[in-house]
Amino acid sequence: GNSVTQMEGPVTLSEEAFLTINCTYTATGYPSLFWYVQYPGEGLQLLLKATKADDKGSNKGFEATYRKETTSFHLEKGSVQVSDSAVYFCALSPLGGATNKLIFGTGTLLAVQP
Amino acid sequence: DGGITQSPKYLFRKEGQNVTLSCEQNLNHDAMYWYRQDPGQGLRLIYYSQIVNDFQKGDIAEGYSVSREKKESFPLTVTSAQKNPTAFYLCASSIVGTNTGELFFGEGSRLTVL
Repeated sequence: GNSVTQMEGPVTLSEEAFLTINCTYTATGYPSLFWYVQYPGEGLQLLLKATKADDKGSNKGFEATYRKETTSFHLEKGSVQVSDSAVYFCALSPLGGATNKLIFGTGTLLAVQP
Repeated sequence: DGGITQSPKYLFRKEGQNVTLSCEQNLNHDAMYWYRQDPGQGLRLIYYSQIVNDFQKGDIAEGYSVSREKKESFPLTVTSAQKNPTAFYLCASSIVGTNTGELFFGEGSRLTVL
């Protein structure tokens, strides 16, 4: 079946540190892959996405590359800020279908200290 | 502004009582979803609907019910049959047919059973 595994948190970093949050997936065929972010007390927002192998999604300084060979979609940012503190969810959308029934990972809490 | 409105934001309920969570959207989206979020478990799909007067069970539908009488509204009832209802509930919507993976989320409703 389809599933998403992401590194457990919390991840605690100092401001301006480099961030990596690992995400690997299991899926039939070639799903679309996403990172969502949830700021404290809010719903989720789409951060970035990639719909085919070798695509790189990017937004707000965050990047992730769709690696088919390693079934991975790791999230990276070169220099984090305190305002990046949030929970980050990796998700996949199985190939085909008319609805966006996403399958989410368990989420990784990022805490950035000044 | 367009978006999804969930209410109430916080809700307390006694055991054995049913409770209904409201979700309204003005994005003109055909599809709507209910997810449950628990610590360490990510988001799990409860119910979804692609069109008015039709809906399907997600992965954890037991103890919940929904209706879709209007395109804009998708209320969720947490019944007394739900064994462990304390959780954070998120409503989302999306366009149907493009499978872009982009869900638009409300800010959530936190239900606590006393």
